[in-house]
Amino acid sequence: GENVEQHPSTLSVQEGDSAVIKCTYSDSASNYFPWYKQELGKRPQLIIDIRSNVGEKKDQRIAVTLNKTAKHFSLHITETQPEDSAVYFCAATGGSYIPTFGRGTSLIVHP
Amino acid sequence: GAVVSQHPSWVICKSGTSVKIECRSLDFQATTMFWYRQFPKQSLMLMATSNEGSKATYEQGVEKDKFLINHASLTLSTLTVTSAHPEDSSFYICSARDRRGAGIRNTEAFFGQGTRLTVV
Repeated sequence: GENVEQHPSTLSVQEGDSAVIKCTYSDSASNYFPWYKQELGKRPQLIIDIRSNVGEKKDQRIAVTLNKTAKHFSLHITETQPEDSAVYFCAATGGSYIPTFGRGTSLIVHP
Repeated sequence: GAVVSQHPSWVICKSGTSVKIECRSLDFQATTMFWYRQFPKQSLMLMATSNEGSKATYEQGVEKDKFLINHASLTLSTLTVTSAHPEDSSFYICSARDRRGAGIRNTEAFFGQGTRLTVV
């Protein structure tokens, strides 16, 4: 089955800095890669996703890049704000249509 | 976006009793719903995949007789924790995928708000 590795587990940045979270996956058949943000005690919310036919996608301060050859994808957050503090999960979904989640990254943005 | 409603949001029960958690898709039909368990500061652990009209598919290590899943309609799946014990205390969360496009392309899964279960 699919295996998703996510790094780092914790990321601490100053407000205004950029944050990068990286994930790797094992199943070359995976073709959909969503990123979720989960605030404490709340449900995960989709913030951006990318499909395997695209190399990069951007939405305001958030961008995701995908390297199919290397089987890794990354989340980039620019001009971080304190309200970006949360746990971020990457996921990979393939032929089984069942998403496999990474272990999560706790992002802390210091004012 | 689509809405998934999960109830209750929290529950406290006595050891040995059973607890039922509901997961509803409010504005779309879901042929597949997923049930996860999440421990503090950890990732989402898939427990089972719930398919409308058929038996749920359980992940390895998850006791199907303890965690009963029923997906009776395209908008409702339930998880019943039977004979709950303190070690079952956790955050349980469901997600659902819109049936449109199901089996054709992978799409976003929408999450319920989660249920905090405490067994005393």
